[in-house]
Amino acid sequence: NAGVTQTPKFRVLKTGQSMTLLCAQDMNHEYMYWYRQDPGMGLRLIHYSVGEGTTAKGEVPDGYNVSRLKKQNFLLGLESAAPSQTSVYFCASRPDRPTGGAWETQYFGPGTRLLVL
Amino acid sequence: ELKVEQNPLFLSMQEGKNYTIYCNYSTTSDRLYWYRQDPGKSLESLFVLLSNGAVKQEGRLMASLDTKARLSTLHITAAVHDLSATYFCAVDLGGYSTLTFGKGTMLLVSP
Repeated sequence: NAGVTQTPKFRVLKTGQSMTLLCAQDMNHEYMYWYRQDPGMGLRLIHYSVGEGTTAKGEVPDGYNVSRLKKQNFLLGLESAAPSQTSVYFCASRPDRPTGGAWETQYFGPGTRLLVL
Repeated sequence: ELKVEQNPLFLSMQEGKNYTIYCNYSTTSDRLYWYRQDPGKSLESLFVLLSNGAVKQEGRLMASLDTKARLSTLHITAAVHDLSATYFCAVDLGGYSTLTFGKGTMLLVSP
C-alpha cells in the first residue's frame, strides 16, 4: 500500500494562476481532508469529503474548491492563486468507522509545498 | 468555535530530563490525537485518546486525557535527541472526525 500520496510535491505559481493539487489514497477510506500548514499556525482544515461525490467546507475554505469524483481521489483547486495561499498543503484520509475494533486516526500524505509569487 | 491551545510552543531540554507538554481545548470532546512532525516531513500519529482518563504509552512518551478539565498531556521521560520534533495535539468534535489542531510544540533535545 502506498497510503496517501500527493502530487505535486512542490510548485511555484504567479499571482492569478490556477492549479490543482491531487490527493490519492489506496486504503479504501471514505473520509478525506485537505489542510494547510503555515508557520506557527498548526494545521487548518480547508475542505473535507465524507464519500464519493460529497464535499464540505472547513475552517478556511475561501479561495479553494474541491472535488471527489472518485473515492480514492480528492482534488484541491486554486482558481486564482494569491500570495496568502503560500503554504504547505496536507491531505489526509481515514475510514468512516472503527477498523478491527480500533478507532482510527487520520493518515497524512507527504505534503505539497506551494509558493505563490 | 473550538480553540486548542498548546504550551509551551517551544521547548529546549537536555537529554535525560523529563517534561510535559499541555493541550487545553475549549469545547467538550472525548477524542484527542497526538501527532509528531519532523522538519519538512508529514505528520505521524502517536496516540489516539478516546475517553476520560485514557492513558497511552509508547517508549519515552506517555499521553493522557482528562475530558472534564479539557486537558491532555504528553509527558516525556528521560528525553533523547531522537525525540526532537514538533508535536501537535488535535481535537475531534465527532461527526465526520474533522480535527482542530493546536499550534504545535517544537521540542529540541540537546546533549
